[in-house]
Amino acid sequence: ETGVTQTPRHLVMGMTNKKSLKCEQHLGHNAMYWYKQSAKKPLELMFVYSLEERVENNSVPSRFSPECPNSSHLFLHLHTLQPEDSALYLCASSQDGSPQETQYFGPGTRLLVL
Amino acid sequence: AQSVAQPEDQVNVAEGNPLTVKCTYSVSGNPYLFWYVQYPNRGLQFLLKYITGDNLVKGSYGFEAEFNKSQTSFHLKKPSALVSDSALYFCAVRENYGGSQGNLIFGKGTKLSVKP
Repeated sequence: ETGVTQTPRHLVMGMTNKKSLKCEQHLGHNAMYWYKQSAKKPLELMFVYSLEERVENNSVPSRFSPECPNSSHLFLHLHTLQPEDSALYLCASSQDGSPQETQYFGPGTRLLVL
Repeated sequence: AQSVAQPEDQVNVAEGNPLTVKCTYSVSGNPYLFWYVQYPNRGLQFLLKYITGDNLVKGSYGFEAEFNKSQTSFHLKKPSALVSDSALYFCAVRENYGGSQGNLIFGKGTKLSVKP
């Protein structure tokens, strides 16, 4: 798991707070991803960045705002979240965006919105 | 549209017995298939994948999976289960659009419980 790190590991926030999730990959990859994992639901792809450009945005509410300043770092900025946004947020990276490339995941940030 | 089905929410096996975790998929083209494992409070760990070639794929921790095109299945197997294999297992599929990327679609997961 040291290939992809995420901070913080746990986060509790109120609906009016602003916070950011951070992901860093040490694998030399060029593509990074944000997923949402909720109980009893399949993983949901939120955003994809390839070579620091966003290539996928799966109808995610604007209260989630991604940022990819370079190929090693990915952020997810959170503001005015709802309780139903409570979930495990997983970051992943792959060599590039090719379909056959394996995605490697970080340990996730467990988010609770009160 | 591509999709993945894991028909079992939970699989229970005794330690030392063989295990199978089922996965079927639906894509219109050639599939790329993946298995991941998730231990409690951890992220997903890659186990193995099928891209092309031999239908039997061997992966980490003694796991293997067999790609069956006619049955559109990619079941995960292990000859002898360990208690430490107890975890949540995810099957995923990505469609080969002939160079362009498709999203990685995950099944809902199967909880494997191995008893001593």
